[in-house]
Amino acid sequence: SAVISQKPSRDICQRGTSLTIQCQVDSQVTMMFWYRQQPGQSLTLIATANQGSEATYESGFVIDKFPISRPNLTFSTLTVSNMSPEDSSIYLCSGRGTATGETQYFGPGTRLLVL
Amino acid sequence: AQSVTQLDSQVPVFEEAPVELRCNYSSSVSVYLFWYVQYPNQGLQLLLKYLSGSTLVKGINGFEAEFNKSQTSFHLRKPSVHISDTAEYFCAVSDTGRRALTFGSGTRLQVQP
Repeated sequence: SAVISQKPSRDICQRGTSLTIQCQVDSQVTMMFWYRQQPGQSLTLIATANQGSEATYESGFVIDKFPISRPNLTFSTLTVSNMSPEDSSIYLCSGRGTATGETQYFGPGTRLLVL
Repeated sequence: AQSVTQLDSQVPVFEEAPVELRCNYSSSVSVYLFWYVQYPNQGLQLLLKYLSGSTLVKGINGFEAEFNKSQTSFHLRKPSVHISDTAEYFCAVSDTGRRALTFGSGTRLQVQP
């Protein structure tokens, strides 16, 4: 299994500002992902965080709005840029790899409220 | 690409009754299948998974699921539910090529006394 931690756990931000969310995995994972869960909704994949290269974004998500870094196999950051109230969501980090038995584990999420 | 359909958005059930949460998937390639549970204000916890082998999979908290390839289903079952099982349940699928999970819309299980 894998234990994934995220910081911050929650935040309240003003519109127009940016927030960087950190994700740390306790074991090396091949794949890391970022998801968004809007209130009362399911999880939507934002992007796959690639080590040492640009993230791979899903349709509807762009790098300028959600820049992602992954400097090594156990750490990634997601920035939510120029925030608006529509960005109020839970953002979840996830990891998967041979060390996890191909199971995707999730962090506890970062609850973001944009005013 | 894969997709997941959870037909029931809410399932009310009385305590100690059996329950089945339905999940159907669509994929043109071989898949891995998962059920996750999300308790209020918490993250996702893995209930069980199907990667290969026996089509009947047992998970935590007394849950089990059966993979049916011909019907492209992976329904979740529990013979007797408890109040503490009240939560949101998500079915998810990924291909075997290490892509990310695709989630269903979720089923809210409401266990009543």
